[in-house]
Amino acid sequence: AQTVTQSQPEMSVQEAETVTLSCTYDTSESNYYLFWYKQPPSRQMILVIRQEAYKQQNATENRFSVNFQKAAKSFSLKISDSQLGDTAMYFCAFMKHVSYGGSQGNLIFGKGTKLSVKP
Amino acid sequence: KAGVTQTPRYLIKTRGQQVTLSCSPISGHRSVSWYQQTPGQGLQFLFEYFSETQRNKGNFPGRFSGRQFSNSRSEMNVSTLELGDSALYLCASSLAQTSGGIWDEQFFGPGTRLTVL
Repeated sequence: AQTVTQSQPEMSVQEAETVTLSCTYDTSESNYYLFWYKQPPSRQMILVIRQEAYKQQNATENRFSVNFQKAAKSFSLKISDSQLGDTAMYFCAFMKHVSYGGSQGNLIFGKGTKLSVKP
Repeated sequence: KAGVTQTPRYLIKTRGQQVTLSCSPISGHRSVSWYQQTPGQGLQFLFEYFSETQRNKGNFPGRFSGRQFSNSRSEMNVSTLELGDSALYLCASSLAQTSGGIWDEQFFGPGTRLTVL
């Protein structure tokens, strides 16, 4: 069974600074996807960034980037130039590689990190 | 395109009752997944429906069930409610392309907050 662990229940950062959220996972799968989701206080979950395990290059989406260490089973999220709108719960999630006709719905989530961006 | 919608947004029930929650996916999306979110257990996968068939199921008791209609709308039902069923229930939809190896982003709805008294 796969597990996802986020060891930082809460973090805070000053506006415009950089913050890194940690995530480790455990799996015996060789091919899978990793995600960071953001859940603002309004509760709508939004995908921030994804990483395919077979890709060595770390994913980047504007101010968001990941540090994917496959051997260490680590997947951290770096937020640069933090903005007040980044205040949210951040969830790290895992999904097995999708085979033909296979289910795409089974995301396995960590417990989340509550990030507060302070002005 | 309209996003994923869930109704009702808030619901209060008493123990022993049953409840039905509804999820309308983004137009064209064929897969709908349901998740339960609680402070203690976090986000847990309930089940996924694709083409009116349950394609995957999480580790929940049989009191939790669902279905999907031909227009991809989905409902989940919880019978004999328990206090521990109080949670935010999220649904997510995706295109679910039939080609293997293609990942389709899941888009989440705002959730239904269920309180069991």
